[in-house]
Amino acid sequence: GAVVSQHPSRVICKSGTSVKIECRSLDFQATTMFWYRQFPKQSLMLMATSNEGSKATYEQGVEKDKFLINHASLTLSTLTVTSAHPEDSSFYICSATNGDSGSYNEQFFGPGTRLTVL
Amino acid sequence: GQNIDQPTEMTATEGAIVQINCTYQTSGFNGLFWYQQHAGEAPTFLSYNVLDGLEEKGRFSSFLSRSKGYSYLLLKELQMKDSASYLCAVLDSNYQLIWGAGTKLIIKP
Repeated sequence: GAVVSQHPSRVICKSGTSVKIECRSLDFQATTMFWYRQFPKQSLMLMATSNEGSKATYEQGVEKDKFLINHASLTLSTLTVTSAHPEDSSFYICSATNGDSGSYNEQFFGPGTRLTVL
Repeated sequence: GQNIDQPTEMTATEGAIVQINCTYQTSGFNGLFWYQQHAGEAPTFLSYNVLDGLEEKGRFSSFLSRSKGYSYLLLKELQMKDSASYLCAVLDSNYQLIWGAGTKLIIKP
């Protein structure tokens, strides 16, 4: 089956530092990747959608300059949380599909990254 | 606005049956998903319904009524490992997934 990995699985950083999270599709080409954030006891919140080779589309309320997304290849997308603050502490999950975003293809989820900002 | 409602928490007994309901109001409808999420892990796919009726897959079944904006996930022969959150998500007219807040299911021996 389709496998998506994320690295790191857990990160603790000081306030003001930047953190990069990688999302990789291991056995398929991911034309579209999604980045979600999930706070405790809450649902998944879509942050942005990225297609390989183009700029990410951010959801309303998500600061594109703070959450930098790069989808440079068909197997790798990165999310960089710049100048992280304690309120950015959350569970970040990526997912990937192998079809275009105009129609549905099953999203395969990565295992998530727990970010704690001190 | 778009809205998906599901109970926050449910408790059931090992070996029993539990039904988790989900109601939705979205701009368009292209299918409804149920995902299982264990604490600290990513969601895993359980079912997809786009037509009315019941879809059965082993111990899990999912039902959809588009006219009522309603779905349920039925879990039979509950096992302790079924303790998890169950997320209902609807694919809207833009093929964007709208997520419910999830139902935390607690299984007791």
